[in-house]
Amino acid sequence: AQSVAQPEDQVKVAEGNPLTVKCTYSVSGNPYLFWYVQYPNRGLQFLLKYITGDNLVKGSYGFEAEFNKSQTSFHLKKPSALVSDSALYFCAVRDEGSARQLTFGSGTQLTVLP
Amino acid sequence: SAVISQKPSRDICQRGTSLTIQCQVDSQVTMMFWYRQQPGQSLTLIATANQGSEATYESGFVIDKFPISRPNLTFSTLTVSNMSPEDSSIYLCSVPLGLASYNEQFFGPGTRLTVL
Repeated sequence: AQSVAQPEDQVKVAEGNPLTVKCTYSVSGNPYLFWYVQYPNRGLQFLLKYITGDNLVKGSYGFEAEFNKSQTSFHLKKPSALVSDSALYFCAVRDEGSARQLTFGSGTQLTVLP
Repeated sequence: SAVISQKPSRDICQRGTSLTIQCQVDSQVTMMFWYRQQPGQSLTLIATANQGSEATYESGFVIDKFPISRPNLTFSTLTVSNMSPEDSSIYLCSVPLGLASYNEQFFGPGTRLTVL
């Protein structure tokens, strides 16, 4: 079975401050991990993914994520938040050995305060 | 990447009626997925639509309630039948970048359905 948890429903940060959106996962084998962002009244946009290799993955709009196998985490980060980053963020996982499709976390609403 | 469009973008429907949602992709894809996002909730996979075969439904979803068509490699429809207020959700179609399991999926803009 594969599952993903986003422990925080909401995250608020001030503009210019670093942001972190947390994600932990559970899979039987090796994980493929993804982050998506959803702006109001729009579909999901792909940000970045981890397949293998370097634990620090860089993606769109200055976002990056750090894969930590021992902690089964894949936290999304950005060094300096923008008001325009305010959106709903979803972490997703797929087990390498599974034919199942993506399993999504519950989502984290990020608010960047001006 | 893939450009995905959905029609309608939103609709308000009466209980007991049905709505068909269209999904158009700008390239040929083997698999298309239909997701539901209930208010304040995460995405739940409804079914996988493969061209030339019947859709594969996830646990809790049945063909009578959510019939799917996949007439070609660029188009699919999802019908929400005999609607009730509990069907009020955003419905999204999605396609994978490729066949490998490490590929990301692309999503359409969604159809926001409100059932009165």
